[in-house]
Amino acid sequence: GENVEQHPSTLSVQEGDSAVIKCTYSDSASNYFPWYKQELGKRPQLIIDIRSNVGEKKDQRIAVTLNKTAKHFSLHITETQPEDSAVYFCAASRPGANNLFFGTGTRLTVIP
Amino acid sequence: DSGVTQTPKHLITATGQRVTLRCSPRSGDLSVYWYQQSLDQGLQFLIQYYNGEERAKGNILERFSAQQFPDLHSELNLSSLELGDSALYFCASSVETAINTEAFFGQGTRLTVV
Repeated sequence: GENVEQHPSTLSVQEGDSAVIKCTYSDSASNYFPWYKQELGKRPQLIIDIRSNVGEKKDQRIAVTLNKTAKHFSLHITETQPEDSAVYFCAASRPGANNLFFGTGTRLTVIP
Repeated sequence: DSGVTQTPKHLITATGQRVTLRCSPRSGDLSVYWYQQSLDQGLQFLIQYYNGEERAKGNILERFSAQQFPDLHSELNLSSLELGDSALYFCASSVETAINTEAFFGQGTRLTVV
């Protein structure tokens, strides 16, 4: 099955700096890569996703890049704010898959 | 609000007991997924149902079982509970059987086994 690895497990940045979280996947057939944000004690929520037919997608301060050849994708958050502090999970799925394979999560702390 | 409803929000029970967690998916979603999140851990996929039928199984223990009813709500049954079963249990729903689209998560049920 798919194996998704995520790094780093924890990340601290100063407010206003950028944060980058990286994930690798093992199944070359995977074609959908969402990112979820989970605030303390709350449910995971989708913040951005990318499909394998594009290499980059942006939404305001958030961007995701995908390298299909290397089988890795990354989340980029620019101009970080304290409210960006949360656990971020990457995930991958393949066509016809019945579930998302999640990475182990990155706890991001934005220091004011 | 994601539209996915989970009850109860909190549950405290003793070892050896049995509990049932309930999930109502978003209106129109046929797929329900169950995930377990232990303290400071990632999301572990347990099981998926689509329109009443089991479609995929993950690392679900034999002591755990689930079902999806004709009205599409789902229940996760946990029996012979152990301390290590303490976790946050999420259900998620999506409109398609292949979760190649956004999954909407409920608020979770926090289970504490004492």
